[in-house]
Amino acid sequence: GAVVSQHPSRVICKSGTSVKIECRSLDFQATTMFWYRQFPKQSLMLMATSNEGSKATYEQGVEKDKFLINHASLTLSTLTVTSAHPEDSSFYICSARDGRGYQPQHFGDGTRLSIL
Amino acid sequence: DAKTTQPPSMDCAEGRAANLPCNHSTISGNEYVYWYRQIHSQGPQYIIHGLKNNETNEMASLIITEDRKSSTLILPHATLRDTAVYYCIVRVATDSWGKLQFGAGTQVVVTP
Repeated sequence: GAVVSQHPSRVICKSGTSVKIECRSLDFQATTMFWYRQFPKQSLMLMATSNEGSKATYEQGVEKDKFLINHASLTLSTLTVTSAHPEDSSFYICSARDGRGYQPQHFGDGTRLSIL
Repeated sequence: DAKTTQPPSMDCAEGRAANLPCNHSTISGNEYVYWYRQIHSQGPQYIIHGLKNNETNEMASLIITEDRKSSTLILPHATLRDTAVYYCIVRVATDSWGKLQFGAGTQVVVTP
């Protein structure tokens, strides 16, 4: 159980393009979803937390107008990287939890974003 | 939020038990310890979590000291597939959303 699916797994696009990444919880209702970014040889950095039906909360230093997050249902959250530039190239990972007590987060397999 | 300290790397022999230490000396009474691992180029995989009692599941055992200032993750019979970065994380007690802050983790390499 507790499967999180992330799509696409890899995307390569030109500078200035907007890219949407989807994160779905397949077998549970995710009241809270998280988005992380990971640069090579570094640990995961939390970007934002989103709760179903409300605005995302962004970590300090993360531009909310650059990284648009939508959590419209209990099984789907999307991250849109707007007007992407080469410095946005990274490994983006989502996670989800069902919000009960201290239930753990479960992670997707990540999206490798390369901006040319 | 309580920070954790882990050794940067460990080597383990295939078939032997792997004991991964974690220090969390500033942990507060209602903060849980979570363990995740990340195999190269994949998302992190949940392993186990606990508060003060020892925990065991199909993947690993978690031993938490009585004062809760440290814990050990035990992989009973390490395989080559257990090569990964292992993260010990203390969840922020005041955060109802369950945010996790990842540190550098321990790079575990299992050798034949």
